[in-house]
Amino acid sequence: GNSVTQMEGPVTLSEEAFLTINCTYTATGYPSLFWYVQYPGEGLQLLLKATKADDKGSNKGFEATYRKETTSFHLEKGSVQVSDSAVYFCALREDSNYQLIWGAGTKLIIKP
Amino acid sequence: EAQVTQNPRYLITVTGKKLTVTCSQNMNHEYMSWYRQDPGLGLRQIYYSMNVEVTDKGDVPEGYKVSRKEKRNFPLILESPSPNQTSLYFCASSSMTGGEAEAFFGQGTRLTVV
Repeated sequence: GNSVTQMEGPVTLSEEAFLTINCTYTATGYPSLFWYVQYPGEGLQLLLKATKADDKGSNKGFEATYRKETTSFHLEKGSVQVSDSAVYFCALREDSNYQLIWGAGTKLIIKP
Repeated sequence: EAQVTQNPRYLITVTGKKLTVTCSQNMNHEYMSWYRQDPGLGLRQIYYSMNVEVTDKGDVPEGYKVSRKEKRNFPLILESPSPNQTSLYFCASSSMTGGEAEAFFGQGTRLTVV
């Protein structure tokens, strides 16, 4: 079945550091890929998405590229801020099934 | 403003006392679902619905019920809560225009069963 694996946290970085959170997936078809972010005490919200191979999603300085050959969708940001501290979830969904398949989430802590 | 509204935000209850968590969305979405979030386990889907009067089990449905009598509402019912249902619950909705459709989440309900 479909699955999503993302790096375990917490990930602790200093402000202005470069961020990578790894995400790999297995899927039988051609899924859409998502990153959602959960700020403390809030629900999840969409950060970015990509719908086909080689697409790059971007938002708020974050980027992720849909790599079909490596079945990956790694999240990157060039210079993190304290306000980026949150839990980040990688997810996929196929057109034939509206169920979102989730990674376990990665907690990101940014220190000033 | 597009939103998913859950109530209550916090709930402490005793074992066996029936409770309902409400969920309402104002985006005319067909697809609605309930998740529970537990440390180290990520999000697990409890139930989902693709239309009015159409509901189906997710990955962890035991001990829960849902109903979808109206398109906008999707309540989660715990007939006889137990301590292992202590968790953070989220309702979500999305359109069914395609796999790329964004899911919108409520603020969450933190449930404690003692």
